[in-house]
Amino acid sequence: GQQVMQIPQYQHVQEGEDFTTYCNSSTTLSNIQWYKQRPGGHPVFLIQLVKSGEVKKQKRLTFQFGEAKKNSSLHITATQTTDVGTYFCAGQKSSGSARQLTFGSGTQLTVLP
Amino acid sequence: DAGVTQSPTHLIKTRGQQVTLRCSPKSGHDTVSWYQQALGQGPQFIFQYYEEEERQRGNFPDRFSGHQFPNYSSELNVNALLLGDSALYLCASSLAGAMGNEKLFFGSGTQLSVL
Repeated sequence: GQQVMQIPQYQHVQEGEDFTTYCNSSTTLSNIQWYKQRPGGHPVFLIQLVKSGEVKKQKRLTFQFGEAKKNSSLHITATQTTDVGTYFCAGQKSSGSARQLTFGSGTQLTVLP
Repeated sequence: DAGVTQSPTHLIKTRGQQVTLRCSPKSGHDTVSWYQQALGQGPQFIFQYYEEEERQRGNFPDRFSGHQFPNYSSELNVNALLLGDSALYLCASSLAGAMGNEKLFFGSGTQLSVL
């Protein structure tokens, strides 16, 4: 079945440092979504990428979708303590009628003040 | 505008028992998906309901079943509980889209502990 892998599993950064998490799918995706889950909370939608090579920015966050639509990355510039949480990518398959999102295992970000 | 609501928030059961979890989707949404999230893991897709029918199912045994009502609310039932069923159960609602790329709105989840 479809697998979505994320690295690293954990990341500790000093406040002000940059952070990147990477997501790789075993199959070509129709789209990829990113979610953030604060400690003790639930996943909250951040963004969706659909086009090959697409790049989207949200303030200090930059999201990329690979040319082959099998990988993606999230980069945070100058992290703040409010960025703490686990970041999940979730991919949707290109083939068939599958509508389910397959989540990666997440990258847990800790920001040290 | 109410978001996704789930009940109960916490539940403790013993092995072999049965449990029912409930979810009301965000206003205007017609599709409900259920996910299981073990500690330190990403959400795992259980199934999705649309128009009162199970439209898609993940790799979960038949002990996991569900239902969607005419008002779009949904229930998740788990029979013959195992210790390994202990997890956070998340409900997510969305609006069915033509290309299947609808974004999910998650509820706060039900924390199930099986002893």
